[in-house]
Amino acid sequence: SQTIHQWPATLVQPVGSPLSLECTVEGTSNPNLYWYRQAAGRGLQLLFYSVGIGQISSEVPQNLSASRPQDRQFILSSKKLLLSDSGFYLCAWSLTPNQPQHFGDGTRLSIL
Amino acid sequence: ILNVEQSPQSLHVQEGDSTNFTCSFPSSNFYALHWYRWETAKSPEALFVMTLNGDEKKKGRISATLNTKEGYSYLYIKGSQPEDSATYLCASRAWGNYGGATNKLIFGTGTLLAVQP
Repeated sequence: SQTIHQWPATLVQPVGSPLSLECTVEGTSNPNLYWYRQAAGRGLQLLFYSVGIGQISSEVPQNLSASRPQDRQFILSSKKLLLSDSGFYLCAWSLTPNQPQHFGDGTRLSIL
Repeated sequence: ILNVEQSPQSLHVQEGDSTNFTCSFPSSNFYALHWYRWETAKSPEALFVMTLNGDEKKKGRISATLNTKEGYSYLYIKGSQPEDSATYLCASRAWGNYGGATNKLIFGTGTLLAVQP
């Protein structure tokens, strides 16, 4: 069966520090991969999605970037975190965009 | 409607009550509507993906209907149980500008359901 792993579960970082959140999927090949953020009091917002290795689409201009160095690995990064980057980050995968998405457990990121 | 909106924001019911809540989405360029259940300290879990106007889907005591012409979907829970307590999210997917559907899901802010024993 397919599983998705996302880490770390919580992270406290100072403003201006770098960020790397990792997500890996097991048990499937060539998944569609997604990074979402939920800011306080708001719905899930799609940040990036990827349909294949090295293929990244960005949905909103921001201080973050994403990479897909391997088929089942999706990384969310920042060179310098801002206070506004605080939130709950979720990684998800789907077999195709037509099918439901399966989410990781999320990372709660607090910027001090 | 430009965004996906869900109502009510929260709902408290007694065990055994039946309940329903609403998801409103843009009807123009509609492609698909997703429903997810998000329990505290867990990850969101897919309930339904719906595409056809008039479609009705059922999973145990939970069912959903879809009206793509007017842009709304209802989620029904029959005989609510404490384990149904969760935030219920809907998300809309639209046709893109180049002949295919977009990969982007637009999520509502959810309906928080609390079922008291």
